[in-house]
This record gives sequence, C-alpha cells and structure tokens, in this order.
Amino acid sequence: GAGVSQSPSNKVTEKGKDVELRCDPISGHTALYWYRQRLGQGLEFLIYFQGNSAPDKSGLPSDRFSAERTGESVSTLTIQRTQQEDSAVYLCASSWREYEQFFGPGTRLTVL
Amino acid sequence: SQQGEEDPQALSIQEGENATMNCSYKTSINNLQWYRQNSGRGLVHLILIRSNEREKHSGRLRVTLDTSKKSSSLLITASRAADTASYFCATDGSTLGRLYFGRGTQLTVWP
Repeated sequence: GAGVSQSPSNKVTEKGKDVELRCDPISGHTALYWYRQRLGQGLEFLIYFQGNSAPDKSGLPSDRFSAERTGESVSTLTIQRTQQEDSAVYLCASSWREYEQFFGPGTRLTVL
Repeated sequence: SQQGEEDPQALSIQEGENATMNCSYKTSINNLQWYRQNSGRGLVHLILIRSNEREKHSGRLRVTLDTSKKSSSLLITASRAADTASYFCATDGSTLGRLYFGRGTQLTVWP
C-alpha cells in the first residue's frame, strides 16, 4: 500500500500570504502528526490527531497556524499571514495507535 | 524539556568502521525509537526498544537502553557510504502518542 503522501512537495510564497499544506496518511492509521523542521534542526512538534479525540495543539507556535483532519483521513495544515521564520520543511507522520510513526516526504516551504 | 539529545552532533568515519551514537533523555519512557533522515526529508523508522528491554538488534543495528541513566545508544556495524544520514532518537513522554525528537547526529561515512 501507499505510504504517507504530502503535497505540495515545495511551496514558495510571499510574506503575508496564506498557505495550505496537505497530508494523506496511511489508510487505517488512527494517529496523525505534524512537525516542523528548520534547516539543520530537529523536529518540532506542532499538532497530533488521534481518532475522534480532540487534537493536541500544544505545539502550534502561534494562532496563525491551524490544522484540520477529516475523520481518519486527510489533514491540512494552514499557515495564515506567513512570515519568513515560517520557512522550514513541514513533515507529516501517521501511525496505528501510538507505535512507530511513518513519515511523508515533507513540504519545503519558503517564505520570501 | 522531554527531548532526547543525541551525541555527538556530527560523526565522520570510513566505510567498514562502526558508528556509535548516543541519546540521553529526561523523563520516564515507555519506549525509545531511532529514526534516520536522508537529505532533510521524511524520516524512516529504524528500531524501537521498550523500557523493559536492554538491547535489541536489527541487521547491522544494535540499540541499547539504560533506563537508570536515561540513555540509549545506536551502533551501526560495518558502516557503508549509504549509511550517511541524520539519525534521531525519539522518546514517548508523559503525553500519550507524542514523540519527542532530539536534534540528531549527522553521520558521514566516507568510501
């Protein structure tokens, strides 16, 4: 079966614009995670969805960031009024319950 | 912070040599995982070790866990140029489902 997919793979935008990043998890995986990784840094947790439970949004850096997930399928991460410091690779991962996470290839966001 | 911290930050070795990376963490865990990342893209899961395990093997990988010292090590034996990547340890913490990643060790294996 297919792995986790993310789109777009690269996104260049102008400061102040909104962007929407998409993640398609592995079918049947109940948990979905978003991370941010700045150049040369580790993974920064953003948000976690588990089934129908309320998402853990504790990692979102500001109210410009939001994410949604439809049931146990697609998730979108939205960044409003992008800033240059938002430039990073945004990684999505899914897992079955709380076991190993399977990562997508990431979306490289560049804010000019 | 509950983050794992890898040591060293960078490691450069010749093909055929062994590579050892260490990870330290701060809180109690249920399991610890090691991931590999090529070229800043998606991570690939390598191995998971549970808190009641002390050592685990997978191919050329050997992972140890010392919960009394809150530390783990990843050993790659007979390294290859293709092992060049960043390696991250990840711990589960007090929040179920979340993983806490360190900054990673950048391993370079020269042919």
